Amino acid sequence: EIVMTQSPATLSVSPGERATLSCTASQSVGSNLAWYQQKPGQAPRLLIHGASTRATGIPARFSGGGSGTQFTLAITGLQSEDFAVYYCHQYNNWPPGTFGQGTKVEIK
Amino acid sequence: EVQLVQSGGGLVNPGRSLRLSCTASGFSFSIHPMIWFRQAPGKGLEWVGLIGSTPYGGRPEYAASVQGRFSISRDDSKSVAYLQMNSLKTEDTAMYYCARDADRNGAYYFDFWGQGTLVAVSS
Repeated sequence: EIVMTQSPATLSVSPGERATLSCTASQSVGSNLAWYQQKPGQAPRLLIHGASTRATGIPARFSGGGSGTQFTLAITGLQSEDFAVYYCHQYNNWPPGTFGQGTKVEIK
Repeated sequence: EVQLVQSGGGLVNPGRSLRLSCTASGFSFSIHPMIWFRQAPGKGLEWVGLIGSTPYGGRPEYAASVQGRFSISRDDSKSVAYLQMNSLKTEDTAMYYCARDADRNGAYYFDFWGQGTLVAVSS
């Protein structure tokens, strides 16, 4: 099983600042990685697929990067609606794929 | 507008059964694989199973943790995906989500999700 490790567990950021989230795979997943945002009481929302392609309707302040085992999600100019939990998901060996444990982005 | 609306769920005793529904609208339901995930309270996301698109045979697959107890089916005439859960255990307690695979051929990422339905297994 491919293990996905996200860091940090919690990221405290002020509105308007930049947040950088990391996701590390225990073995290469190529570019088969997606990022999801989840707010309390809501379903996950697809942000990024193919490691760096924004999903339809996702603002340009969200950007994904990386390949192989190291991936990042950057959010520039954090807005109030961006404070949420973010999950990475590798789908290189689908099914089952694996999710990271999540990074909570909170207001500093 | 693409929508996935879930129903079913609730509180059940261990060993009992429950069926969840995921009703789709706004897209050609039969050509998309449909996936079920769950999220235990305060925990991360876990894949439960999927059913392939009808043109590709509509074959279900399951996570090891639910294999033999859960079954997934689809009724394309009603645009509904089902998750039949039998022999429920306390560890099946979670919010269950259905989701649409972004591509008919299987993109393996999921662009629309249901609102979730809570399943609580307790005596």
